[in-house]
This record gives sequence, C-alpha cells and structure tokens, in this order.
Amino acid sequence: GENVEQHPSTLSVQEGDSAVIKCTYSDSASNYFPWYKQELGKGPQLIIDIRSNVGEKKDQRIAVTLNKTAKHFSLHITETQPEDSAVYFCAARPLLSGGSNYKLTFGKGTLLTVNP
Amino acid sequence: GAVVSQHPSWVICKSGTSVKIECRSLDFQATTMFWYRQFPKQSLMLMATSNEGSKATYEQGVEKDKFLINHASLTLSTLTVTSAHPEDSSFYICSARGAAKVVQFFGPGTRLTVL
Repeated sequence: GENVEQHPSTLSVQEGDSAVIKCTYSDSASNYFPWYKQELGKGPQLIIDIRSNVGEKKDQRIAVTLNKTAKHFSLHITETQPEDSAVYFCAARPLLSGGSNYKLTFGKGTLLTVNP
Repeated sequence: GAVVSQHPSWVICKSGTSVKIECRSLDFQATTMFWYRQFPKQSLMLMATSNEGSKATYEQGVEKDKFLINHASLTLSTLTVTSAHPEDSSFYICSARGAAKVVQFFGPGTRLTVL
C-alpha cells in the first residue's frame, strides 16, 4: 500500500518568514495530493491540492510543488502569520474513475508555529 | 469549500453505554463517507469507508460490531460506538466525498470521553 513520509515534524518560524513542509510517497499510482490544515480541537481543512498533471499550484501565500519522478511534493507558505500556526497534513491517493473507495494516505503531520 | 457538520461536538459517557455521532454533508451529496479516529498529537487513522446504501468497509483491526456505521442517505452517516470503554476515548472525525470522487471534506470532529 501507499506510504507517505512527512518532514519536519515540527517547524518554528518568525512571522513574515517562509515555511516549507515536504512529503514523499511510495505508490506511483498516486496522483492526487491534498494538504490539510488542522487547528487544535478542530477537523482538518483542505487548503490546497495538486494533481499529477500539474507541477505547481499557487493560491495567494500558499503553493504546492510536485515532482512525480522523485515522488515528492512540498507545501510552501510565504509571509507567514501567527494564524498560520497549526498542524499541517499531506496526503496522497490514486485519482481514477470508477466506483472504488480510493483512500487518502496521510503523513504524520507537521506542527507549524509562527512566532510574532 | 463544501460543508460537513458533526453532532455532537463533544460527548461524555459512562463505560458500557453506546454513543451515536452524526455526520452530515450540508451542501453536496456525499456518495462516500469516511470515519477517522485521531489520538492526541497523531495523524488521522481511517476506521471505515461507506457508500450510500451499502455496508461499510472497515479497516483492518477495527471491530465492525463495536463501531456501527450507517450511511442511509446521501447527506447523513452515523457512527455508533457500542458498549464504549475508556480506551475508546478519542477524537472522531467524519469526512465526505461527492460523486466527482475528487475532493474530500472533513467535519469538525467529535471529542468522545468515556469515564
């Protein structure tokens, strides 16, 4: 099955700096890679996703890059703000048509702390 | 993004009782729903997957007789923890995916504490 490794487990940055979180995956069939932000006591919130036919996707201060050859993808947050502090999870899944219940495989999460 | 709600947001119960958690997709039809459990400072662990009108598919090691899942409509799924024990205390999160089978949205979670 799929295995997703996420690094680092904790990341502390100063407000205004950039933060980068990296994930690797093992299953070459995976071609959908979402990123979720989870604040304390809440459910995960989708912040950005990328599919394997795209190498990079950007949404304001957040960007995700994908290197399918190397099987790794990264989350980039620029101009970090204290409200960006949360746990971030990467995930991977095959994106195929049909009726199968394709499951997300999650990384172990990164606790991002943005210091004012 | 789409909205998924859960009820209750937290529940405290005595050991041996059963607890039902509801998950609703508020603005889309959820053909597939997922139930996760999350322990403190850990990642999400998938418990089961259910399609509307079908029996749930449970992950290895998850007792289907203890964690009853019903997905009776395209907007509602329920998880019933039967004969709950303190080790069942956890954060339970549902997730829903629509017919396009792409994006998966999560509910806010339910904190279960079994005394």
